Amino acid sequence: DIQMTQSPSSLSASVGDRVTITCQASQDISNYLNWYQQKPGKAPKLLIYDASNLETGVPSRFSGSGSGTDFTFTISSLQPEDIATYYCQQYDNLPPVFGPGTKVDIK
Amino acid sequence: EVQLVESGGGLVKPGRSLRLSCTASGFTFGDYAMSWFRQAPGKGLEWVGFIRSKAYGGTTEYAASVKGRFTISRDDSKSIAYLQMNSLKTEDTAVYYCTRDATTFVYWGQGTLVTVSS
Repeated sequence: DIQMTQSPSSLSASVGDRVTITCQASQDISNYLNWYQQKPGKAPKLLIYDASNLETGVPSRFSGSGSGTDFTFTISSLQPEDIATYYCQQYDNLPPVFGPGTKVDIK
Repeated sequence: EVQLVESGGGLVKPGRSLRLSCTASGFTFGDYAMSWFRQAPGKGLEWVGFIRSKAYGGTTEYAASVKGRFTISRDDSKSIAYLQMNSLKTEDTAVYYCTRDATTFVYWGQGTLVTVSS
């Protein structure tokens, strides 16, 4: 199975800060990489698909980049409602593995 | 509007069985693969398995951790996907989610909690 790692595992930032999360795959997955947001007690929500495409209705402060094995997720200006855990997920091969998550909170 | 509603969760003793249902609406159920994920308390998301649409054979794939114990099936006439869980273990305790599709997961149910404990 492809392994996914994320860093950091958690971060604390101020409202308005730029937040960056990295995700690394254990092998080349091209751009078959999605990003999700999960708030406590809720199902995950798709934010970015195919590494860099913004899902319909998702605010433009969220963005993604990368290909191959290294990917980046960015919140350009952190808002209070962005407090959540963020996961990357590969779908190049079965199983569709999620990264371990990055918990984001407000400083 | 696409909706997925899981049901059937609860408290069950180790070694017993439980069947979860995922009732879908708002789309042509038979045209889509359906997947199941789970999330143990305080942990990340784990893929359980999926079932392809009938157009792709209706076949199934499973995570190694549940293969041989769990079975996914579907009833396209009722728009329901099922997760039959046998020989349950304490480590199967989790919130179980159904999702549409097999690779990119836009639509999720609200989840149903399965607790395996004596």
